[in-house]
Amino acid sequence: DIQMTQSPSSLSASVGDRVTITCRASQSIGGYLSWYQQKPGRAPKLLIHSASALQSAVPSRFSGSGSGTDFTLTISSLQPEDFATYYCQQTYDTPITFGQGTRLEIK
Amino acid sequence: EVQVVESGGGLVQPGGSLRLSCAASGFIFTDFYMHWVRQDPVKGLVWVSRIDPDGSTTSYADSVRGRFTISRDNAKKTVYLQMNNLRAEDTALYYCVGGRDHWGQGTQVTVSS
Repeated sequence: DIQMTQSPSSLSASVGDRVTITCRASQSIGGYLSWYQQKPGRAPKLLIHSASALQSAVPSRFSGSGSGTDFTLTISSLQPEDFATYYCQQTYDTPITFGQGTRLEIK
Repeated sequence: EVQVVESGGGLVQPGGSLRLSCAASGFIFTDFYMHWVRQDPVKGLVWVSRIDPDGSTTSYADSVRGRFTISRDNAKKTVYLQMNNLRAEDTALYYCVGGRDHWGQGTQVTVSS
């Protein structure tokens, strides 16, 4: 199975900060990487697919980059509604696997 | 408007069975792979199973292979997950997902005596 490791596991930041979350795959997954945002009591919401493609209606302050084994999600200027948990997911091979999540909290 | 609505969850004893259903609308159902993903506070998000658009190919996580069966009825725009020989570790919120971005709100499965 392909292991997905996110860092950090949690992060405290302020409104307006630039934030980067990293996801590393245990083997090359090309660009088959998605990022999701999840708020308490809600289903995950797709932000980025194919490593860097912004999903429709997602604000442009979100961006993704990387290929192979190393990927990043960047939020250029944190907004109050961005405080949530973020997950990466690989769809290169089954079993599809998720990272363990990064909890983004208000400082 | 896209809608994905799961049903069929509940409380079941270890060794029991449940059948989850997922009714989809608002997107071209026959264009999409459909997945079941579960979530619990300890393990986070865990992919369970996938079925291709015409229902001919299925995949499963090792933890459920041989116990769970995914199927779909394209005429009814519905996906199913038959879960047999349930274990305590199957306790989770089960999401149905169309493609990457059409998620339901989940149905809770609790396996306990």
